[in-house]
Amino acid sequence: AQSVTQLDSQVPVFEEAPVELRCNYSSSVSVYLFWYVQYPNQGLQLLLKYLSGSTLVKGINGFEAEFNKSQTSFHLRKPSVHISDTAEYFCAVSETKGGKLIFGQGTELSVKP
Amino acid sequence: DGGITQSPKYLFRKEGQNVTLSCEQNLNHDAMYWYRQDPGQGLRLIYYSQIVNDFQKGDIAEGYSVSREKKESFPLTVTSAQKNPTAFYLCASQQGGGTEAFFGQGTRLTVV
Repeated sequence: AQSVTQLDSQVPVFEEAPVELRCNYSSSVSVYLFWYVQYPNQGLQLLLKYLSGSTLVKGINGFEAEFNKSQTSFHLRKPSVHISDTAEYFCAVSETKGGKLIFGQGTELSVKP
Repeated sequence: DGGITQSPKYLFRKEGQNVTLSCEQNLNHDAMYWYRQDPGQGLRLIYYSQIVNDFQKGDIAEGYSVSREKKESFPLTVTSAQKNPTAFYLCASQQGGGTEAFFGQGTRLTVV
């Protein structure tokens, strides 16, 4: 069975600073990896996904993530954050052979002026 | 417009009553999911269905039941056996592994 661990529950950062949100996963088989964002009292929206190929994946709103198979990580980065990036971010994994979608505990990103 | 709709947005129930949360999608997706969200615990999988008339338990299925009689509908019943039902419930649909999961806006259930 697969699992996802997001290493930081809260990340406070100043506007225009870089940010990294960390995600590690555990699985005995090949997986797909995702990052989603959730604004207050709403559903989740896909930021980016890794299926195969290049390990550096670019998503919406200037976010990118790097898949590291040896470290079983999929950290999310943005070089310069905005106030509007304040939200909760979820890392998710699913097995490539039709597996269920499993989420991490979430990281609350708080961008301060 | 294609999408996934959860209703109602807010729901209040008395302790001991069963309640059913609605989830409908018109995206023609095969897979549908129910998650429960509590502060600091992320999204925990309750039930999922990868095809009509079939569904599997997730990590926290106790006290919940589902049905998948139609491709577009995946209602969740929170039964009186669920010890702590107050939470935010999210429904999602997905065409297949590796594709984007689309989420509803959620239902906030409060049991008093």
